[in-house]
Amino acid sequence: DAKTTQPPSMDCAEGRAANLPCNHSTISGNEYVYWYRQIHSQGPQYIIHGLKNNETNEMASLIITEDRKSSTLILPHATLRDTAVYYCIATGNQFYFGTGTSLTVIP
Amino acid sequence: EAQVTQNPRYLITVTGKKLTVTCSQNMNHEYMSWYRQDPGLGLRQIYYSMNVEVTDKGDVPEGYKVSRKEKRNFPLILESPSPNQTSLYFCASSLTGKRYNSPLHFGNGTRLTVT
Repeated sequence: DAKTTQPPSMDCAEGRAANLPCNHSTISGNEYVYWYRQIHSQGPQYIIHGLKNNETNEMASLIITEDRKSSTLILPHATLRDTAVYYCIATGNQFYFGTGTSLTVIP
Repeated sequence: EAQVTQNPRYLITVTGKKLTVTCSQNMNHEYMSWYRQDPGLGLRQIYYSMNVEVTDKGDVPEGYKVSRKEKRNFPLILESPSPNQTSLYFCASSLTGKRYNSPLHFGNGTRLTVT
């Protein structure tokens, strides 16, 4: 499973789009990019995943670069409830969570 | 409601007293896993199970045991707990162990303190 690199923290103004980057330069062809978030000490919550195409669901959008070496999770209109730690994972098998990006949405 | 249920939510125990944290899922998932979370270290996998009667070590298996006798249950056993096992524990499950379309679903966590 590929190693991922994320910034340790980010801020975003409420109502604006939050763009969370992730680098996974060693990702292999059969590994998927998954995003999770964890609010306080709750269980991590699944957000979205993709292989090479961009994906969108009711929570977020996932943009994967053509070479698949990086991706961006987009929360289109961030709210205070989106304040959480966001984990990017590149995996074909097990999930390795790392320490993620702590996103703070500011009123 | 589809969910992963862990019990107990909070547990305080003493060194050496055997304990079991239960985990149950009602989604007919094949894959189940245990993680521990410690400040600054993220979530680390303890054990996982690809299916009934199949278990494998994760990254930090020392001091833990698991069993998978039934598809829905995956208990975590600490035979002789020590203070360094004080942590927040999460159980998770997914449809399969293959990642093409199989996100993990997590329980609400068990906060264990060993004194």
